[in-house]
Amino acid sequence: DQQVKQNSPSLSVQEGRISILNCDYTNSMFDYFLWYKKYPAEGPTFLISISSIKDKNEDGRFTVFLNKSAKHLSLHIVPSQPGDSAVYFCAAGGAGAGSYQLTFGKGTKLSVIP
Amino acid sequence: GAGVSQSPRYKVAKRGQDVALRCDPISGHVSLFWYQQALGQGPEFLTYFQNEAQLDKSGLPSDRFFAERPEGSVSTLKIQRTQQEDSAVYLCASSLVRLNTEAFFGQGTRLTVV
Repeated sequence: DQQVKQNSPSLSVQEGRISILNCDYTNSMFDYFLWYKKYPAEGPTFLISISSIKDKNEDGRFTVFLNKSAKHLSLHIVPSQPGDSAVYFCAAGGAGAGSYQLTFGKGTKLSVIP
Repeated sequence: GAGVSQSPRYKVAKRGQDVALRCDPISGHVSLFWYQQALGQGPEFLTYFQNEAQLDKSGLPSDRFFAERPEGSVSTLKIQRTQQEDSAVYLCASSLVRLNTEAFFGQGTRLTVV
């Protein structure tokens, strides 16, 4: 049973436009969410995170939105750049004894077309 | 080095062979994680260390998998009697404190069992 789902395996966006990557989760115990970016042959790189007590976190061109009632979060990249082309993973962490364990989605491959 | 270092980068093992994968975390990082990433999937949690203590090994798929971090720094993931289903990228991550925020990943070790 997948607790973190990224339903779009891939996404193509024109340079300069907005990229929106979506993530759904099923476990209401998750209280911390992160986005990682991964280039081929490299490990995932932390991008941005959000606590469950917030509904938005912004860092430069990257904004993460959290809708707890819908158990949904999204990553917005504005404006998109060719260097943003990578696989993006959504990850979630829970409270309590298991809080150090992250649960990842399968990833969305973003292609930004020049 | 400044980042998490994993070795070897690539490992081909014959079925039944034992392998050892090494992780050098960022100096001073308390937390160390091992994840397994199968092709087309997101990373899946294997085990967690806080300093030298292995606080969670619930993700290890079988008793053929063993991890250690004897001095609270370098960690080794050992897989005994490798099977084809063990083929995956093994990722190590470290973070300064207990929480998952901004855990830094290594490049991973790609294990292929033939």
